[in-house]
Amino acid sequence: EDQVTQSPEALRLQEGESSSLNCSYTVSGLRGLFWYRQDPGKGPEFLFTLYSAGEEKEKERLKATLTKKESFLHITAPKPEDSATYLCAVGRRGSTLGRLYFGRGTQLTVWP
Amino acid sequence: DGGITQSPKYLFRKEGQNVTLSCEQNLNHDAMYWYRQDPGQGLRLIYYSQIVNDFQKGDIAEGYSVSREKKESFPLTVTSAQKNPTAFYLCASNERDLGPEGYTFGSGTRLTVV
Repeated sequence: EDQVTQSPEALRLQEGESSSLNCSYTVSGLRGLFWYRQDPGKGPEFLFTLYSAGEEKEKERLKATLTKKESFLHITAPKPEDSATYLCAVGRRGSTLGRLYFGRGTQLTVWP
Repeated sequence: DGGITQSPKYLFRKEGQNVTLSCEQNLNHDAMYWYRQDPGQGLRLIYYSQIVNDFQKGDIAEGYSVSREKKESFPLTVTSAQKNPTAFYLCASNERDLGPEGYTFGSGTRLTVV
C-alpha cells in the first residue's frame, strides 16, 4: 500500500534555530513530490515540486531535497511568520492522473 | 485572477439536514477534488472528477454526494447519512495530469454540526 509519512507531527523552534522536516514515501513510481504550506483555517499554498532523486529547490529560508525514499524540508534561521503546517504529497505513476496522496503534515511553531 | 472559490467559509448543520458546499474554479482545469481535513488525520479524498458529467468515489465517500454538470463547478452535498460531518472541507483542481504545482486549493469551508 502506498504511504506518505511525515515527521515529526509537531515541531517547536526558537527564532533562528534551523531544523528539518521529513517526508518518507513508499509509492510505486514517483511522478512528483509536492510541498505545501497551510495556515490555520486556510487552504494549502504551493511551495515546491521535486521530480527525481538529488533534486533541490530553494525559496527564502526553505530548501527542499529529494532522495529515492524521502524528502526533507530544511528551514534555515526560521522566523515566527514561518509558523504553519507543512504538507507533503506525492503523485504516482499508474494512478488516477493528477491525484495526490498526502501525509498528515508537520505543525511548525517558531517562537521569538 | 484565476483561482478556486469555496463558499460559504463557515456552515452549520442541524442533525438530519443535508447541506451543500460550493466550489467554483476559473482556471479551466479538467480535474476537481474534494478533501476532508480533520486534526491529526491529514487530507482524505472524498470524491474526484476528471471530466464533466463524470466523477468517482474517493477513500471516504459514504454520506457524501457530488455533481459535475459544468467544468467550473463541483458542489459537494453532505447528507444526513454522514454521521460525523464536522470537519474542514477543501476543494482542489488541476489539469487532468499533474501540473508543476500539483493542486490549486480553495480556501476551505468549515462545517459544524449543531
